[in-house]
Amino acid sequence: KAGVTQTPRYLIKTRGQQVTLSCSPISGHRSVSWYQQTPGQGLQFLFEYFSETQRNKGNFPGRFSGRQFSNSRSEMNVSTLELGDSALYLCASSRTDRGSPLHFGNGTRLTVT
Amino acid sequence: ELKVEQNPLFLSMQEGKNYTIYCNYSTTSDRLYWYRQDPGKSLESLFVLLSNGAVKQEGRLMASLDTKARLSTLHITAAVHDLSATYFCAVERYNTDKLIFGTGTRLQVFP
Repeated sequence: KAGVTQTPRYLIKTRGQQVTLSCSPISGHRSVSWYQQTPGQGLQFLFEYFSETQRNKGNFPGRFSGRQFSNSRSEMNVSTLELGDSALYLCASSRTDRGSPLHFGNGTRLTVT
Repeated sequence: ELKVEQNPLFLSMQEGKNYTIYCNYSTTSDRLYWYRQDPGKSLESLFVLLSNGAVKQEGRLMASLDTKARLSTLHITAAVHDLSATYFCAVERYNTDKLIFGTGTRLQVFP
């Protein structure tokens, strides 16, 4: 069974640009969550989608947005990039039953220069 | 707001020794998860703890949950080098699917 796939693995962008990251969940998983990981702030929750609807949102500015498609694939977009957006962005999928753990992808390493 | 604290942040231990990582959280929750992350890699699910008194064991790792004390522990028995990694606990905010992660404990096991 294929795991969570994130593309691209690495990205280098310039301040002010925008970026779109992609995530394909494990087959059958309908919930997709996004996390930002940095050395200073650790793992922080961005948002969670289920059946194309955003169910939960973390404390990030509106420059961070996401969406989920009917096949459960998800994208997140960051507009007007700032240096502080440099991070590892992790996508995770899970089944919908209670207590299902998140299954994480390998992440997209974003560097903003 | 739910806060999750882990201690210690760094742990350097000798092979064969035992140690415990602690995870405290600030508000009601009955779902707690432990993950492992190797350098440059993603997070791997270790344990899911869903009720007060839950105990799970896998190899040299054992996790437990005390929801009344808002405390989970990850106990390492007779550590081996392969256990070197960063360990995270994560608590689900009550009645949501939002996980709040602890700061992580970086474990290094040396001969």
